[in-house]
Amino acid sequence: AQSVTQLGSHVSVSEGALVLLRCNYSSSVPPYLFWYVQYPNQGLQLLLKYTSAATLVKGINGFEADFKKSETSFHLTKPSAHMSDAAEYFCAVSEGAGNKLTFGGGTRVLVKP
Amino acid sequence: SAVISQKPSRDICQRGTSLTIQCQVDSQVTMMFWYRQQPGQSLTLIATANQGSEATYESGFVIDKFPISRPNLTFSTLTVSNMSPEDSSIYLCSVALAGGSTDTQYFGPGTRLTVL
Repeated sequence: AQSVTQLGSHVSVSEGALVLLRCNYSSSVPPYLFWYVQYPNQGLQLLLKYTSAATLVKGINGFEADFKKSETSFHLTKPSAHMSDAAEYFCAVSEGAGNKLTFGGGTRVLVKP
Repeated sequence: SAVISQKPSRDICQRGTSLTIQCQVDSQVTMMFWYRQQPGQSLTLIATANQGSEATYESGFVIDKFPISRPNLTFSTLTVSNMSPEDSSIYLCSVALAGGSTDTQYFGPGTRLTVL
């Protein structure tokens, strides 16, 4: 069985500061890992994904995530927060192409001016 | 990626009634999924909609409550039957594209359902 834990349901950052969202996973097979963002009253948008290639993955909007197998982690970062980054972020795991996604509980990001 | 639309975008329904949600994709897809997002919660998979066969349901979800159709490679429906206030949620469909990167799911905008 697979599972995802996101540490911190809410994160508050100042505009221009580092954004760090933590995600730990468990999987019985080499995982596929994803970060999605959900803006208010919208669906989910893919930020980035890891599918066994480079461990440092770059995504849209300046986000990147680092896959660390030894730590079973896939933390998301952005060097400088922008007001438009205020949203909810979900980490998800699957056990291969075409398989279901298991989501973490989500982290809501608030950006302070 | 793919352009995914859902209808309706939102609805307010009375308890005991049923609502059918449509998911349309602008290209052929191999896999279609239906998720539920309860208020303030994360997403939970309801079922995988299989083209030409019955849907595969996750633990805790049953066909009588959430019947699903998938008549072709670009369209699926989810019905929420005999609704109660506990069914108030956002329902999202997602797709994995055919002939390409099936490792990634793309999501529709969701249907926001309120049951009174």
